[in-house]
Amino acid sequence: NAGVMQNPRHLVRRRGQEARLRCSPMKGHSHVYWYRQLPEEGLKFMVYLQKENIIDESGMPKERFSAEFPKEGPSILRIQQVVRGDSAAYFCASSYRLAGVVNNEQFFGPGTRLTVL
Amino acid sequence: GQQLNQSPQSMFIQEGEDVSMNCTSSSIFNTWLWYKQDPGEGPVLLIALYKAGELTSNGRLTAQFGITRKDSFLNISASIPSDVGIYFCAGATSGTYKYIFGTGTRLKVLA
Repeated sequence: NAGVMQNPRHLVRRRGQEARLRCSPMKGHSHVYWYRQLPEEGLKFMVYLQKENIIDESGMPKERFSAEFPKEGPSILRIQQVVRGDSAAYFCASSYRLAGVVNNEQFFGPGTRLTVL
Repeated sequence: GQQLNQSPQSMFIQEGEDVSMNCTSSSIFNTWLWYKQDPGEGPVLLIALYKAGELTSNGRLTAQFGITRKDSFLNISASIPSDVGIYFCAGATSGTYKYIFGTGTRLKVLA
């Protein structure tokens, strides 16, 4: 499967626990984007990462949320001390070129559906 | 945050009919993308547009980049049941990676 991979597909956490969402970009892609989607809504940008660098985290809450994209391994979106309002679908997308250049399409993974009890 | 306005929000059509939907923005965009999302899945890229006035087809789908650069249109010809889903537009300005997503058009096809 050469597409963007995300796991787990479904994640259930109790309030106060930590949630870790993983994303492996498409082969050859070094740019990763995380989005959040609430039911019946569009996708909202959270953070943009390149290998070992956070480029833009302007869409991510300042507290409890963090993201990384290490040199080796998948990108991780981490939510500490989850609350019910964190329940949503979290999607990862990847691209292979810098923005502003033709063909900067973003390809999405299947998402992780987080439910906070 | 900023969102694009998509219309219609939802539509029911008969199988075989043509479908039109559009996306409008108060900002000028340099790239428009159209995605389809099935329930429980991630968005799948359908068409990418890069130039004002550009008309691009992908099978029964045709999308256009509006000449004002503030809108885009997606048409589906001869709809079939598997066209059911949510269609999202996304726009970005030059030199940015941050796509703004529309609110989606929910399409239901009646056999």
